[in-house]
Amino acid sequence: AQSVTQLGSHVSVSEGALVLLRCNYSSSVPPYLFWYVQYPNQGLQLLLKYTTGATLVKGINGFEAEFKKSETSFHLTKPSAHMSDAAEYFCAVSSGGYQKVTFGTGTKLQVIP
Amino acid sequence: GAGVSQSPSNKVTEKGKDVELRCDPISGHTALYWYRQSLGQGLEFLIYFQGNSAPDKSGLPSDRFSAERTGGSVSTLTIQRTQQEDSAVYLCASSLSMPGSGNTIYFGEGSWLTVV
Repeated sequence: AQSVTQLGSHVSVSEGALVLLRCNYSSSVPPYLFWYVQYPNQGLQLLLKYTTGATLVKGINGFEAEFKKSETSFHLTKPSAHMSDAAEYFCAVSSGGYQKVTFGTGTKLQVIP
Repeated sequence: GAGVSQSPSNKVTEKGKDVELRCDPISGHTALYWYRQSLGQGLEFLIYFQGNSAPDKSGLPSDRFSAERTGGSVSTLTIQRTQQEDSAVYLCASSLSMPGSGNTIYFGEGSWLTVV
């Protein structure tokens, strides 16, 4: 079985401050991990993903995430928040093959001017 | 098409009526998902189609909800006897086969359903 937990349904940061969105997963096999972003009134789009290889993954818009197997975590970070980063962010996990992808409950990021 | 296409984009229906929501996935994508997103809520998994395999219906909230996928392409989500709590955005998504192998899932813009 696989699952993903996102800590904090709402996160507020000041413009220019560090963004840290937390994601922990559970998987019986080496996982594939994703972060998706949903801007207001839009569908979700891929921000970044970890499949194999380098554990630090860089995505669009300056975001990155690090796969830490020992901590079963895949936290999303961005050094400096921008107003346009205000959105909802979803972490997701899959465990290989034809298994469906499981999404977390999402974290809404508010950026304060 | 270039992306996942959903129709209608907006639907207002009266309580008790049936509605059909359509999803046209990206050409060649054999995996197709339906999710529901209620106001202020996260993604709620509804159903998953993978090729010719039996769909995973474990997320359908009641027997009023059903979905089919014809010819391995277009999918229709049907809600019978709609209730006000069915009001939500219904998102369709697709990916290449074996989504569990790290293939990106592509989402449509959603169908906004309002039951009055």
